[in-house]
Amino acid sequence: AQSVAQPEDQVNVAEGNPLTVKCTYSVSGNPYLFWYVQYPNRGLQFLLKYITGDNLVKGSYGFEAEFNKSQTSFHLKKPSALVSDSALYFCAVRDGYNQGGKLIFGQGTELSVKP
Amino acid sequence: ETGVTQTPRHLVMGMTNKKSLKCEQHLGHNAMYWYKQSAKKPLELMFVYNFKEQTENNSVPSRFSPECPNSSHLFLHLHTLQPEDSALYLCASSQGRGEVEAFFGQGTRLTVV
Repeated sequence: AQSVAQPEDQVNVAEGNPLTVKCTYSVSGNPYLFWYVQYPNRGLQFLLKYITGDNLVKGSYGFEAEFNKSQTSFHLKKPSALVSDSALYFCAVRDGYNQGGKLIFGQGTELSVKP
Repeated sequence: ETGVTQTPRHLVMGMTNKKSLKCEQHLGHNAMYWYKQSAKKPLELMFVYNFKEQTENNSVPSRFSPECPNSSHLFLHLHTLQPEDSALYLCASSQGRGEVEAFFGQGTRLTVV
């Protein structure tokens, strides 16, 4: 069965510092990995995805994520955090072996960026 | 705007009421989803429709009844809900289900009293 874990409920970062939001996954085939962001009282917005190819994926708002197959991780990163990045971040995985597989989400990590 | 619209944005209903949530997508997608988001819990996939046909029901109680009259519209009919059903209900759509991302609506905040 596929699953995804976000080990941190909350991440606190000072503005201007680099940020990392962690995600690990488990699938039986090749993973399709996604990051979404949710601002208060809004739906989820797509940030970036990894399907195949280069392990470093660049997405919206200056975010990037690194796929690490050996560690089954897909951590979200940004070199310099902004206060406006404060939101709830979700990692999601779909099993690429099964095209009908479910898109499974982690429990979310709340990112707080302080001035 | 993501192209997925949900109405109403907020809903308060009693346990004996019947109400419906509506989702509409203007993206030409062929797959639509209902998710439940509760505080401090992962998003729970409830139902999946592909080309108007239900392909997944993740053991959702029968007091939640989905309807997909066409590929652009998705409804969630609610009746005799419980207070623990209070949550944010999110609709999403995608073009296929493989490597593509899903697009989400803003959600309906449901409170059962």
